Order: sequence, then structure tokens, then C-alpha cells
Amino acid sequence: KQEVTQIPAALSVPEGENLVLNCSFTDSAIYNLQWFRQDPGKGLTSLLLIQSSQREQTSGRLNASLDKSSGRSTLYIAASQPGDSATYLCAVPLDDKIIFGKGTRLHILP
Amino acid sequence: GAGVSQSPSNKVTEKGKDVELRCDPISGHTALYWYRQRLGQGLEFLIYFQGNSAPDKSGLPSDRFSAERTGESVSTLTIQRTQQEDSAVYLCASSLEAWPEKLFFGSGTQLSVL
Repeated sequence: KQEVTQIPAALSVPEGENLVLNCSFTDSAIYNLQWFRQDPGKGLTSLLLIQSSQREQTSGRLNASLDKSSGRSTLYIAASQPGDSATYLCAVPLDDKIIFGKGTRLHILP
Repeated sequence: GAGVSQSPSNKVTEKGKDVELRCDPISGHTALYWYRQRLGQGLEFLIYFQGNSAPDKSGLPSDRFSAERTGESVSTLTIQRTQQEDSAVYLCASSLEAWPEKLFFGSGTQLSVL
């Protein structure tokens, strides 16, 4: 059974700081992992998709890494801004399903 | 359309009534997913459609829940005899093919059962 855990559940940091969000999964036989952001009252927006053959993906100030052997992924956000405040979720495939973590609620303090 | 469209955005209903939620995926997307998100909780998988294959209904919580999809277009999620524990945001997502394509989510339907 695949379980996805995200730590911390919530995080508040001052604007401008770099930060790391963590995602762990129990079944390392995944072929990719995706990070999403969810704004209050909205659906999810895909941020980065990392294939199992990749170790990193970058988009602007975001960098996601994947270590299948240890069952971990991290999302690094550089020079955080108030607009980064949202809930960040990671997700992995399991057969036809996509299993989501419960997310990290991020609050960037102006 | 430009994105995944869900309607209604909000639905308030009385316990015991039936409700129907609609999802319009992005044109050309063969894969469609329904998820449920209770307040403060993660996303709970409900059902998955891929092209003309039989849907994966393994996530539907009870026989009061059903979903249909017409070809590769609109999908409807029906909840019969609603209960208060059905209150949640119901999210629909589509992708060009099955995962590992990027998922595109709608804004969801907030269902409140009184």
C-alpha cells in the first residue's frame, strides 16, 4: 500500500527566506512524482513533474528533487514571496490512482 | 475550454436528496479523475476514467455514489440520498493521457449537506 506523508503540516517563514518542503512515500516503485499547489477555495495547480529517471526538476524559483531509494522528495522554494502562500501537495501514482499527501500549508510573512 | 470546468461551484442540499455534479475536462484529455476533499483533509480518490476503458471505481465510498462519462467529454458524479458526511469539496481533474501526464484540476464543487 502506498502512503504519502508531508512534513511539516504547516510552516510560516519571513519573506525572502529559502525553504524546503518534504514528501515521503512508502513504496519506492514509482515512475514519477508531481508537486501541486492549492490556493484557498481553488483547485490544484501542477508545479513540477519528476520522472523516476530524473533527480531534479526546476521551474523558476522552484526546485524539486526525487530520491526513489529513500522514498523522498523535496520542494525547494528560493527567495520566498507572500504570493507563495498556499498549500503544497505531492502526489505519486498507484495503479490507476494518484495518491496525494495531506499537504504543507505555507504562510510567507511580509 | 481553456481549463477544467466544474459546476455548480457551490451546492447546498438537504439530507436525503440526490445531487449531480458536473465536470467538463479539457478538450482532448482522455483521462479524468474525481477526488473528494473534506475540510482540512487530503484528497481522497473516488473514480478514474481513461478513454473507453472500464472506469476504476475502487475509490467510491458507497453504492450511493456513481459516476458516468460520455466518451472523452463530460463526466457527472451522482450522490444519492446524501448524508452529512458527504459534505466536502469534490474536485475533478483531467490529463492528456493517463498519468504521468500533468494533471489539470477544476476549481471544485463545494457540497454542503444540511
